[in-house]
Amino acid sequence: DVKVTQSSRYLVKRTGEKVFLECVQDMDHENMFWYRQDPGLGLRLIYFSYDVKMKEKGDIPEGYSVSREKKERFSLILESASTNQTSMYLCASSPPPTHMRSYEQYFGPGTRLTVT
Amino acid sequence: KNQVEQSPQSLIILEGKNCTLQCNYTVSPFSNLRWYKQDTGRGPVSLTIMTFSENTKSNGRYTATLDADTKQSSLHITASQLSDSASYICVVLGSNYQLIWGAGTKLIIKP
Repeated sequence: DVKVTQSSRYLVKRTGEKVFLECVQDMDHENMFWYRQDPGLGLRLIYFSYDVKMKEKGDIPEGYSVSREKKERFSLILESASTNQTSMYLCASSPPPTHMRSYEQYFGPGTRLTVT
Repeated sequence: KNQVEQSPQSLIILEGKNCTLQCNYTVSPFSNLRWYKQDTGRGPVSLTIMTFSENTKSNGRYTATLDADTKQSSLHITASQLSDSASYICVVLGSNYQLIWGAGTKLIIKP
């Protein structure tokens, strides 16, 4: 079974703090993603990575950065947290496009971040 | 604009009853459509995937249908169980490998 783990289930930070959210997958997937999920909205893609040290902006990258130094690990960084970044953050991984189950995403349990 | 709209937003049914959730999309061209189940406090888990040539696909008590002409999909749950209480999310993969996510339907099963 694919396992995607996230470093924290719940996190409370103050405005202006630097926040690190970590995600690790154990299936050797090339692709990894960070989403945020807010009530009444679909998942919104923040950043994704298709290889080590490679990253692409998603739909809402402002205020976020990412790091992928190792294939299994993808980190989301909030340089200076703001209250409008209070949300559920979901990490996902997926096999490459050539895989028969390509674009099926496997999700971690999520991190509920509150910025006060 | 590529969009995925789901209805109803929320639904409450009694245990043992059937229900149908709807997904309408305007994504074009279309590659495939997935339904995910998301339990409270957990990440989404894939239930089914359908390409444009597939009309129906089942996964246990879950049956998804797709009408690519009208751009509609439905997820039918038979003989609901308390464990079916969750959000169900419809996702469409567009031509440029972009995933368009619906906002989900929150389903509550009451004993």
